[in-house]
Amino acid sequence: EAAVTQSPRNKVAVTGGKVTLSCNQTNNHNNMYWYRQDTGHGLRLIHYSYGAGSTEKGDIPDGYKASRPSQENFSLILELATPSQTSVYFCASGDALGGDTQYFGPGTRLLVL
Amino acid sequence: QQNVQQSPESLIVPEGARTSLNCTFSDSASQYFWWYRQHSGKAPKALMSIFSNGEKEEGRFTIHLNKASLHFSLHIRDSQPSDSALYLCAADDSGYNKLTFGKGTVLLVSP
Repeated sequence: EAAVTQSPRNKVAVTGGKVTLSCNQTNNHNNMYWYRQDTGHGLRLIHYSYGAGSTEKGDIPDGYKASRPSQENFSLILELATPSQTSVYFCASGDALGGDTQYFGPGTRLLVL
Repeated sequence: QQNVQQSPESLIVPEGARTSLNCTFSDSASQYFWWYRQHSGKAPKALMSIFSNGEKEEGRFTIHLNKASLHFSLHIRDSQPSDSALYLCAADDSGYNKLTFGKGTVLLVSP
């Protein structure tokens, strides 16, 4: 099965600080995604990428940046963290075909104080 | 923009019962429809998908898709306590490998 890892698994940040969440996949998938999950909201797409060097805005991109420096790595960057960004963040990867499965990482629990 | 709605929000069924979960979507051009399952504290994991109208069965799980009514559903036969989880449905935004997820249905199967 596809392997997606995330780091850190847990993070406490201060309001106004910079936070970087990292994701790595070893399956040579073209597409990678960042979601956040909050109670009552399901999974919401923040940013996604079709390959190295590309990033696209998802449904809730405000306050977040993304970086895809290589096929394997996809980062989510919170330049000025706010308490409203406290959430569980999931990274996922999948192949380019529309009907292909997305494989999720274990998640990062972020608390912004 | 795709809008995906799930019902019910939560459900409690006895072990051995048949369970039905529902999902509606708004983009009539969507082609790919998914159910993901997420156990507590774990990552979502793909359960089943369907790409054309009709029915698809895999073991105790069956998906129905009716594109004309913008509706798909998941049915679980002989529900087990291990089926207790958050079930997320998703539909693609037509033309992109980008899914929109519903808010989820929490299923509890009581022994």
